[in-house]
Amino acid sequence: QVQLVESGGGVVRPGKSLRLSCVASGFTFSSYGMHWVRQAPGKGLDWVAVISYDGSTKYYKDSVRGRFTISRDNSKNTLYLQLHSLRPEDTAVYYCAKDSPWHQIKWEFDYWGQGSLVTVSS
Amino acid sequence: DIQMTQFPSSLSASVGDRVTITCRASQGISDSLAWFQQKPGKAPKSLIYAASSLQSGVPSKFSGSGSGTDFTLTISSLQPEDFATYYCQQYNNYPPTFGGGTKVEIK
Repeated sequence: QVQLVESGGGVVRPGKSLRLSCVASGFTFSSYGMHWVRQAPGKGLDWVAVISYDGSTKYYKDSVRGRFTISRDNSKNTLYLQLHSLRPEDTAVYYCAKDSPWHQIKWEFDYWGQGSLVTVSS
Repeated sequence: DIQMTQFPSSLSASVGDRVTITCRASQGISDSLAWFQQKPGKAPKSLIYAASSLQSGVPSKFSGSGSGTDFTLTISSLQPEDFATYYCQQYNNYPPTFGGGTKVEIK
């Protein structure tokens, strides 16, 4: 069965950096686009970034572009999100999510990880 | 960005009730709409895609309908495990956007 397991969250000061990881299993990771979606405490869902199956295409939410970097290592079945210049408003649970269709970005999230909490506070 | 508006934002219902949640898009999105269920402290779970297609393994008490700007999620007979928050999401236009959620509580 599909499993996505995030790690790397924690408490960090404003302006600092953090890297999240998401290890995938149960499907052919290298054939699917992957997303990061976040949820601030008590709030709704907010898409952050996507990377194509081969890493050649990346898109970001406006407010994180230039500060966050999405990447993947298909040999390790792992998705990453590097977060730089963190702000208090970046505080959220960060979920990785699999896109549905093979070899496409369709923004259709069919499986989600359990999430990793990032807290930005001084 | 396309704005997704869900209503009601919360509702109270009893076990066995039929429940309907509405989602409205600020512009037409064809049938590019998904519904998710989220329980406290858990990840969202995909229920429906393409407005009315049931995700594999999701019970048939869940159904979706609509096209264009107006969509509904219906739970035919509410069970204890269905008390959760439900979100709609459009994927017709970049960036993908979510509704604000509907919390279904026990009456």
